[in-house]
Amino acid sequence: EDQVTQSPEALRLQEGESSSLNCSYTVSGLRGLFWYRQDPGKGPEFLFTLYSAGEEKEKERLKATLTKKESFLHITAPKPEDSATYLCAVQVFYSGGSNYKLTFGKGTLLTVNP
Amino acid sequence: GAVVSQHPSWVICKSGTSVKIECRSLDFQATTMFWYRQFPKQSLMLMATSNEGSKATYEQGVEKDKFLINHASLTLSTLTVTSAHPEDSSFYICSATRLIFWNSPLHFGNGTRLTVT
Repeated sequence: EDQVTQSPEALRLQEGESSSLNCSYTVSGLRGLFWYRQDPGKGPEFLFTLYSAGEEKEKERLKATLTKKESFLHITAPKPEDSATYLCAVQVFYSGGSNYKLTFGKGTLLTVNP
Repeated sequence: GAVVSQHPSWVICKSGTSVKIECRSLDFQATTMFWYRQFPKQSLMLMATSNEGSKATYEQGVEKDKFLINHASLTLSTLTVTSAHPEDSSFYICSATRLIFWNSPLHFGNGTRLTVT
């Protein structure tokens, strides 16, 4: 069974204090790994897609990296507006049903204090 | 671009009644739409996949007679929760993709908070 585990469950940072969020996965065949940001009471907002080990992508203060077993979302000098739940999801090669099935982790709740 | 609108954003209904939730892709044609359910502090759970003009594909454990999905056009999918019960109270989120490429990202609506009393 495909599994996605995110850690930590919650993270409190001071403004400017850089850190990383982890997403480890156990899947039979990875097609892609996605990072989303979710604000309270809202739907997820797409951030990145990573396809192969060694790949990196950046957007403003966020940088996502991928290995064969996990992905990291690095947050450099975070600001209070970066506070949100960050979700990762994996897409696998799927022989039946939806070929686009995403399996989500439970997310990391990030709080950045001013 | 790639805006997905979901309506209503919240709804309260009495046990035994039915509730319809709409999901629209505003600036693109969505070949495939997905319905997710999210409980507090839990991950998004895929309920079903709908393709325009065909029957939805439901995930294991999801009652298709209870959660009716219709995808009548390339811009609209609806989820109807029939004979709702308090345990159906949850956050329902739709998503859509053009699926031009297998790795096209999903774009999500802002969700519907359903409370069944």
